[in-house]
Amino acid sequence: KQEVTQIPAALSVPEGENLVLNCSFTDSAIYNLQWFRQDPGKGLTSLLLIQSSQREQTSGRLNASLDKSSGRSTLYIAASQPGDSATYLCAVTGGGATNKLIFGTGTLLAVQP
Amino acid sequence: GAVVSQHPSRVICKSGTSVKIECRSLDFQATTMFWYRQFPKKSLMLMATSNEGSKATYEQGVEKDKFLINHASLTLSTLTVTSAHPEDSSFYICSASPTSGSPDTQYFGPGTRLTVL
Repeated sequence: KQEVTQIPAALSVPEGENLVLNCSFTDSAIYNLQWFRQDPGKGLTSLLLIQSSQREQTSGRLNASLDKSSGRSTLYIAASQPGDSATYLCAVTGGGATNKLIFGTGTLLAVQP
Repeated sequence: GAVVSQHPSRVICKSGTSVKIECRSLDFQATTMFWYRQFPKKSLMLMATSNEGSKATYEQGVEKDKFLINHASLTLSTLTVTSAHPEDSSFYICSASPTSGSPDTQYFGPGTRLTVL
């Protein structure tokens, strides 16, 4: 059974810092991995999607990497801003159901002004 | 584009009553919709996969008679929590996968906060 874990569970940084969020998964047979953002009491916004054949994806100040063989992904946020404060979730799809998402435990990020 | 709405956004009900939550894809058709449940400070757990015109597929441990799912059209899926109890209080989120386009893609609704007294 696929399990997805995120470390740290919570992170507080001063504005302007670069930071890394970690995601690990137990079954490397994934189809893709996604990073989402969730604001308090809200739904999810997709940030980046990495196909299993890819190593990384970039969007603006965000860069996500994927090492499928070791079951790890990182989300790098450059020059953090208070507006980046949110919960960040990674999710994998895999096996026979290519669109069934299994979510990680989430990292609550607070960027202090 | 690609907006998913949920109604209601918040609902408070008495124990024993039933509550219906709607999930709509506003500007696209979705053959497949998903229902998730999120406990406070926890991650999302997939409850069921809903396919238009057919029975939903429930995840292990989810009671299908308690969480009734109907996906009668390509833009609407409903989740009915029957005989709700306080332990059913949670944040319910739906997502919709466009009929045309990549099956990877899911657009998420804003969620429904259910409180059962």
